[in-house]
Amino acid sequence: DAGVIQSPRHEVTEMGQEVTLRCKPISGHDYLFWYRQTMMRGLELLIYFNNNVPIDDSGMPEDRFSAKMPNASFSTLKIQPSEPRDSAVYFCASSKHSGQVYGYTFGSGTRLTVV
Amino acid sequence: DQQVKQNSPSLSVQEGRISILNCDYTNSMFDYFLWYKKYPAEGPTFLISISSIKDKNEDGRFTVFLNKSAKHLSLHIVPSQPGDSAVYFCAASATGSSNTGKLIFGQGTTLQVKP
Repeated sequence: DAGVIQSPRHEVTEMGQEVTLRCKPISGHDYLFWYRQTMMRGLELLIYFNNNVPIDDSGMPEDRFSAKMPNASFSTLKIQPSEPRDSAVYFCASSKHSGQVYGYTFGSGTRLTVV
Repeated sequence: DQQVKQNSPSLSVQEGRISILNCDYTNSMFDYFLWYKKYPAEGPTFLISISSIKDKNEDGRFTVFLNKSAKHLSLHIVPSQPGDSAVYFCAASATGSSNTGKLIFGQGTTLQVKP
């Protein structure tokens, strides 16, 4: 079991550029979550999917953010255009069920820097 | 609006002593609570959880206490070890809601255990 795999680990981009973050959840997990970590707000839920269907995207900050899950083994989080305030660590997580009792499994994160 | 709050950004304790990390929540619909631990450059990892039907759950050196009337939970680590130095996140979920799969996290508390 390779765990939740995120790529890239680090991304530095210029303001205005498009950024795509990628996630491969654990096989068999039917929930997938995108979180963003900042000092002020901690771990902030952006969007989550159940069986590849977006369930709640109320945490997506603006229309510049979009997420897709075309199949059970892959998801993307896209920011277009990127801004310096988007700089943060973005985590993907997956779980077999809703995760209340045993929690989610997180990936190692993507550190995004927008200059 | 921060539904889960960790008001202490940091805590420092001596090795062998007790570490107490605190968390407050505002949503009375929350009925599952979890603690995660995060090391630098890694994703958060699940530590321990508690259902609202209990007021205490213990796992080795880690115990979580829940006070529903005060909407407060705490994580006790006894005895504390240098390897426990990490960021600890509190999280909560409302299983009866339409967003049953959603975990709401606090801002995190950085614990430093001094040898």
